[in-house]
Amino acid sequence: ILNVEQSPQSLHVQEGDSTNFTCSFPSSNFYALHWYRWETAKSPEALFVMTLNGDEKKKGRISATLNTKEGYSYLYIKGSQPEDSATYLCAFRFHSGGSNYKLTFGKGTLLTVNP
Amino acid sequence: DTAVSQTPKYLVTQMGNDKSIKCEQNLGHDTMYWYKQDSKKFLKIMFSYNNKELIINETVPNRFSPKSPDKAHLNLHINSLELGDSAVYFCASSQDIGRGDEQYFGPGTRLTVT
Repeated sequence: ILNVEQSPQSLHVQEGDSTNFTCSFPSSNFYALHWYRWETAKSPEALFVMTLNGDEKKKGRISATLNTKEGYSYLYIKGSQPEDSATYLCAFRFHSGGSNYKLTFGKGTLLTVNP
Repeated sequence: DTAVSQTPKYLVTQMGNDKSIKCEQNLGHDTMYWYKQDSKKFLKIMFSYNNKELIINETVPNRFSPKSPDKAHLNLHINSLELGDSAVYFCASSQDIGRGDEQYFGPGTRLTVT
């Protein structure tokens, strides 16, 4: 069983604060790491796909880093806005012979940004 | 235009019935997926098709049968529905099964079995 752990489970910040969350995953058989943003009553929306150790990706005020050797990824949000409120999911894609296409999702970090 | 669409959005039915959920993507992707969001809110893969070929088939009761008539469609048929099948089912698609291919999700179908 592969565990993808995300912390914290939930987070409340004030508008303008910068914040970050962690995704931990098995460091063996790494294939790719995905981050998704999931707003209530909507469907998960892809933010980043990272495949190489040391990868850093950025989209506007959101960025992510990847450390495959130690098995973690950080997602950063700079200057949080109320519209950033959502659940942020990470998903680990592992290489295991014929099963190398599956994403195993974490439970997500629920971010609430207060105006 | 909706990239990945599912119908119906809500489905309420009784135990023992047979029902289908349809999924269509207009992105020209080769790979499609079905996920189940369980009671603990985890998204778990059920099936995946690549170019109409089944490539992932998780430990799912054989009452669940996916069908892919073409690359743009992946339907999920469920026989003899049980209370435990109540969940939100998400369809997704990706360009292919490459390492960097991100998945695009549909809006979900909330299935309630009474």
